[in-house]
Amino acid sequence: DTGVSQDPRHKITKRGQNVTFRCDPISEHNRLYWYRQTLGQGPEFLTYFQNEAQLEKSRLLSDRFSAERPKGSFSTLEIQRTEQGDSAMYLCASSYTSTSTGELFFGEGSRLTVL
Amino acid sequence: AQSVAQPEDQVNVAEGNPLTVKCTYSVSGNPYLFWYVQYPNRGLQFLLKYITGDNLVKGSYGFEAEFNKSQTSFHLKKPSALVSDSALYFCAVRERATDKLIFGTGTRLQVFP
Repeated sequence: DTGVSQDPRHKITKRGQNVTFRCDPISEHNRLYWYRQTLGQGPEFLTYFQNEAQLEKSRLLSDRFSAERPKGSFSTLEIQRTEQGDSAMYLCASSYTSTSTGELFFGEGSRLTVL
Repeated sequence: AQSVAQPEDQVNVAEGNPLTVKCTYSVSGNPYLFWYVQYPNRGLQFLLKYITGDNLVKGSYGFEAEFNKSQTSFHLKKPSALVSDSALYFCAVRERATDKLIFGTGTRLQVFP
């Protein structure tokens, strides 16, 4: 499968614990996006990378959230000291800038449940 | 700021009937508009996009969308609904500088047999 893959698909954790999600984009895609989706809402933009550079961060991304894309390939999203309000689906997407009118390709998402 | 609005939380339609899911947008300049579908506990799947050209855009699974500049709308349509079309549908506008998508709140489509 050459699509966007995310791991784990589902994470249950206790409040205060740290969690990390991984995203592997489509291999030739140089842009990578993280979104958060809560129940009944549309996806909300969190951050995006072009290659290894993080170019924009949403105000939704508190100091407890950090994202990296160290070699311009896979990306990780870490949430420290999780809170119940962090429970959501975290979606990763990728695209290729030379196809500037192209769509974003989404992974299946990582669902976080904070108890 | 760019935005999209989906005025209906849910649309109900009988199988075999035509369906319309509404979307209006607010952008500066020419819009890049998208429709995505989401099945339960799944990611978003691309359906179709409008970039330029013909106002009627055809996409996956028999869906189409009509771009109307004067009404700033991009409604999703299908001539004959299937029960399997039941899902959550999102309209989105693309921000040109970053390529990021800004999504609407979604419309749940329920097709009854």
